Amino acid sequence: DAGVTQSPTHLIKTRGQQVTLRCSPKSGHDTVSWYQQALGQGPQFIFQYYEEEERQRGNFPDRFSGHQFPNYSSELNVNALLLGDSALYLCASSLTGNIYEQYFGPGTRLTVT
Amino acid sequence: AQSVSQHNHHVILSEAASLELGCNYSYGGTVNLFWYVQYPGQHLQLLLKYFSGDPLVKGIKGFEAEFIKSKFSFNLRKPSVQWSDTAEYFCAVLAQTGANNLFFGTGTRLTVIP
Repeated sequence: DAGVTQSPTHLIKTRGQQVTLRCSPKSGHDTVSWYQQALGQGPQFIFQYYEEEERQRGNFPDRFSGHQFPNYSSELNVNALLLGDSALYLCASSLTGNIYEQYFGPGTRLTVT
Repeated sequence: AQSVSQHNHHVILSEAASLELGCNYSYGGTVNLFWYVQYPGQHLQLLLKYFSGDPLVKGIKGFEAEFIKSKFSFNLRKPSVQWSDTAEYFCAVLAQTGANNLFFGTGTRLTVIP
């Protein structure tokens, strides 16, 4: 039973560029949440997707957008990258009826230079 | 707004010492509380959780936590730590009403010296 997977593992981008990160949820899960974990900080909620729609959003600008596909996998897109976007981006999956049990992936380390 | 405070940023202990990591949250309503652990090079894993009932909850690997509602606290404890407990520990809160997402503290790095 595969857990949550994320790709790529690491990514280096330049300021102003755009990036897409990908997440496949744990088998059987239909809800995907994205978090940003800056160095030395705890994860911060970006947004959550269920039934291919953004259901909730944290305090992040519109440069951060996402998508969920019919197979429940998800993408996180960040436009016009800033140096401050450098962080570990975590994906977590869960069942809608059991939102309290979130399973995290290993994350994608994004470095913006 | 919800927030979580972890006052210990870095704790260093010798093996067999007892551990207590502090966690305080600010939210007036009913909450669910969690402790997550991130071992070096690994992903976040759930250590234990509190939903309701007995305020003393037991988790994996001998960890436990006590929910004290009057103090808005959910401290993590372990009677005797091992070198393998070296990790980053995160407290998180999820409000039962309103925003349906986790709010994390800044984490506490635990280093256990053999």
